[in-house]
Amino acid sequence: SQELEQSPQSLIVQEGKNLTINCTSSKTLYGLYWYKQKYGEGLIFLMMLQKGGEEKSHEKITAKLDEKKQQSSLHITASQPSHAGIYLCGADSPLTGNQFYFGTGTSLTVIP
Amino acid sequence: NAGVMQNPRHLVRRRGQEARLRCSPVKGHSHVYWYRQLPEEGLKFMVYLQKENIIDESGMPKERFSAEFPKEGPSILRIQQVVRGDSAAYFCASSRGTASGNTIYFGEGSWLTVV
Repeated sequence: SQELEQSPQSLIVQEGKNLTINCTSSKTLYGLYWYKQKYGEGLIFLMMLQKGGEEKSHEKITAKLDEKKQQSSLHITASQPSHAGIYLCGADSPLTGNQFYFGTGTSLTVIP
Repeated sequence: NAGVMQNPRHLVRRRGQEARLRCSPVKGHSHVYWYRQLPEEGLKFMVYLQKENIIDESGMPKERFSAEFPKEGPSILRIQQVVRGDSAAYFCASSRGTASGNTIYFGEGSWLTVV
């Protein structure tokens, strides 16, 4: 089965600091997705990456997919309390049929 | 969240009762996925459906759980004779086509509490 490992599991940063969350797959990814979940709420789609080496940005969040399409990183610049939540990477692959798998999640706390 | 609607948002059931969770996908989406998030755990795939068909139910518990996506109306996740261990957040997602290459949009979840 497709497995996604996220690191770190949790992160506490001071407001204004930069941070990076990693997502590593045991198999080549077809598509890599990043979602954010606020505590007790639903998932918000952030970005989707499909091509090796692809990089996308939205406001202060940048996501990259490595050339081998097995690792992705999510980078937040100048973090704010509004960035707090759980960040989940998700992926699909032709090898997994139509299942969509999630990573273990990274809990981010931003201290004002 | 691009319009995936789930209801109820919160549901309390006594042990042994039935729970029905509804999911209306984004307009034009014919693929629906259900996920379960247990407390302190990640999202786990349960079932993938297209209109009137179950495509992949490998993540569904063998007993008490069923899902449908009729031609008309929302997708339903049904849990019979609920137990305390069923308490979780249940998320529905939809996509226009198969997961590969299509963005999957999630609903805000239905929180089931079994007392």
